[in-house]
Amino acid sequence: AQSVSQHNHHVILSEAASLELGCNYSYGGTVNLFWYVQYPGQHLQLLLKYFSGDPLVKGIKGFEAEFIKSKFSFNLRKPSVQWSDTAEYFCAVNAGYGGATNKLIFGTGTLLAVQP
Amino acid sequence: GAGVSQSPSNKVTEKGKDVELRCDPISGHTALYWYRQSLGQGLEFLIYFQGNSAPDKSGLPSDRFSAERTGGSVSTLTIQRTQQEDSAVYLCASSPISGNTIYFGEGSWLTVV
Repeated sequence: AQSVSQHNHHVILSEAASLELGCNYSYGGTVNLFWYVQYPGQHLQLLLKYFSGDPLVKGIKGFEAEFIKSKFSFNLRKPSVQWSDTAEYFCAVNAGYGGATNKLIFGTGTLLAVQP
Repeated sequence: GAGVSQSPSNKVTEKGKDVELRCDPISGHTALYWYRQSLGQGLEFLIYFQGNSAPDKSGLPSDRFSAERTGGSVSTLTIQRTQQEDSAVYLCASSPISGNTIYFGEGSWLTVV
């Protein structure tokens, strides 16, 4: 069965620090990968996604993620965080196009707090 | 509508009562999902609809939970004989038939007292 691991449960950074949130998945076939963000009091929003092609994907608000197939990883990065990036971040995996259920399996989330 | 709409946004119910949560997906989206988000538990998949049928209901925690979808649009998640452990945010999401990006609603916050 597919699973997603987010190793950092709670991250505290100062503004302008660099961010990297880890995400590993377990599935041997073709995957689609996502990062979602949930700002305080708001609903989940798509940050970025990887389906195929360039393994370095860029999303909104300066975020990017790199798909490394050999490591089963899809880490999220941002060179310089802002206070407004304070949120919970979820990595998710889907077992490719035409997957039996097309459902996303989510990690447990990483709570990021950025201190001004 | 412009996004996934859920109601009620908040519901407080007594243990043992039944509750119904409603989801109105994005117009034209044929796939609909229910997830549950509990404190410290992340997002737990409950059920997935393609049209009106549910090819995957593997995440429903018990037979007290059921869901239906009518007209390929609105879905209702029903929890019978609610228990305190059912307290959570219930999230609905939808996606177009050919896409894999899932769009979430704002959730229904259920508190069982």
